[in-house]
Amino acid sequence: DVKVTQSSRYLVKRTGEKVFLECVQDMDHENMFWYRQDPGLGLRLIYFSYDVKMKEKGDIPEGYSVSREKKERFSLILESASTNQTSMYLCASNDRDRSNNEQFFGPGTRLTVL
Amino acid sequence: AQSVSQHNHHVILSEAASLELGCNYSYGGTVNLFWYVQYPGQHLQLLLKYFSGDPLVKGIKGFEAEFIKSKFSFNLRKPSVQWSDTAEYFCAVKSPSGGYNKLIFGAGTRLAVHP
Repeated sequence: DVKVTQSSRYLVKRTGEKVFLECVQDMDHENMFWYRQDPGLGLRLIYFSYDVKMKEKGDIPEGYSVSREKKERFSLILESASTNQTSMYLCASNDRDRSNNEQFFGPGTRLTVL
Repeated sequence: AQSVSQHNHHVILSEAASLELGCNYSYGGTVNLFWYVQYPGQHLQLLLKYFSGDPLVKGIKGFEAEFIKSKFSFNLRKPSVQWSDTAEYFCAVKSPSGGYNKLIFGAGTRLAVHP
């Protein structure tokens, strides 16, 4: 059974704190993605990675950075959390084979910044 | 910029009613299309996908979707909904500007099914 796991389901942080969200996949996928999900806006891509140490900005990268030191792990970093980063964060992964674009999602981390 | 539009943000139905959720995309070339579902408290999971071939695609749990190229649409249907179909539904298209299998998602439709 394919699996994408995220380190926390719920997280509460204070404004200005540095926040790490971790994602691990066990499917040997090359591609990994971070999204944020907000009501009425759907899923918006923050960053993605197509290989170890490789990353690309998505549609809303401002205020975020990422790290991919190992193939199975992709971290999202909020350098200085702000209240407008309160959201649900979803991690996903998929295979490099372009004939199979399906993305597999983790359970999400609901982050509240006070 | 490429986009995906879902026409209904909230839909309320009674059990056994028929369902159709609209999805339109803006890209005119070859597309890969998806419907994902998120049940309350659960992670996003794939309902169905279209890559090529028969434009009528069957998915899990009795869902189907029809790709109509001339209308840039990929509407989701189910003939008779159940209370357990209460969820949020997302339409997505593989980004034409890329590689890396990126997806562009619609805003989502929240479906509530009453017994």
